[in-house]
Amino acid sequence: AQTVTQSQPEMSVQEAETVTLSCTYDTSESNYYLFWYKQPPSRQMILVIRQEAYKQQNATENRFSVNFQKAAKSFSLKISDSQLGDTAMYFCAFMKGTGANNLFFGTGTRLTVIP
Amino acid sequence: KAGVTQTPRYLIKTRGQQVTLSCSPISGHRSVSWYQQTPGQGLQFLFEYFSETQRNKGNFPGRFSGRQFSNSRSEMNVSTLELGDSALYLCASSLEGQRYEQYFGPGTRLTVT
Repeated sequence: AQTVTQSQPEMSVQEAETVTLSCTYDTSESNYYLFWYKQPPSRQMILVIRQEAYKQQNATENRFSVNFQKAAKSFSLKISDSQLGDTAMYFCAFMKGTGANNLFFGTGTRLTVIP
Repeated sequence: KAGVTQTPRYLIKTRGQQVTLSCSPISGHRSVSWYQQTPGQGLQFLFEYFSETQRNKGNFPGRFSGRQFSNSRSEMNVSTLELGDSALYLCASSLEGQRYEQYFGPGTRLTVT
């Protein structure tokens, strides 16, 4: 079974500062994907960034980057130059590399960007 | 390109009733997955449909069912509603071969009274 753990229920950051959200996961799979999704107050789930387990290089998307530590089963999200629009729930998620399409989600971290 | 649409956006039902929710995927997407989001249980996978066939199913009672039509639109049905079924129901669609890119709809907020 796959489990995803987010140990920070809430975090806050000053506008323009950097914040890191933590995520750990447990799986016996060797091939898988990891994701960070953002859910703003509008409730629309938006993909922020994706990491393939077989890639050693950490994924980066503009101000968002991850620190993927495969051996430690850790997958943190760093948001640089935080903006007010980054205020949202952030979910870490796991998907097997093959087979079922379902995502396994963590419990989420509520991030507030303070002006 | 239009995104994933879900109707209705909000719904209030009474315990014991049944409800049907609809999801229209992005054009060309044939895989549709459904998730339930509640404050207590978080986001949980309900089921996935592909080419009108249920391909995967989560751990939910038989009261939860779904189907997919030839145009890839999907519906989920919950019979004999319980208070605990109050939730945000999200659907996501993806292209076959790009299962790692799932696009979510805005969700249907179901309240059971």
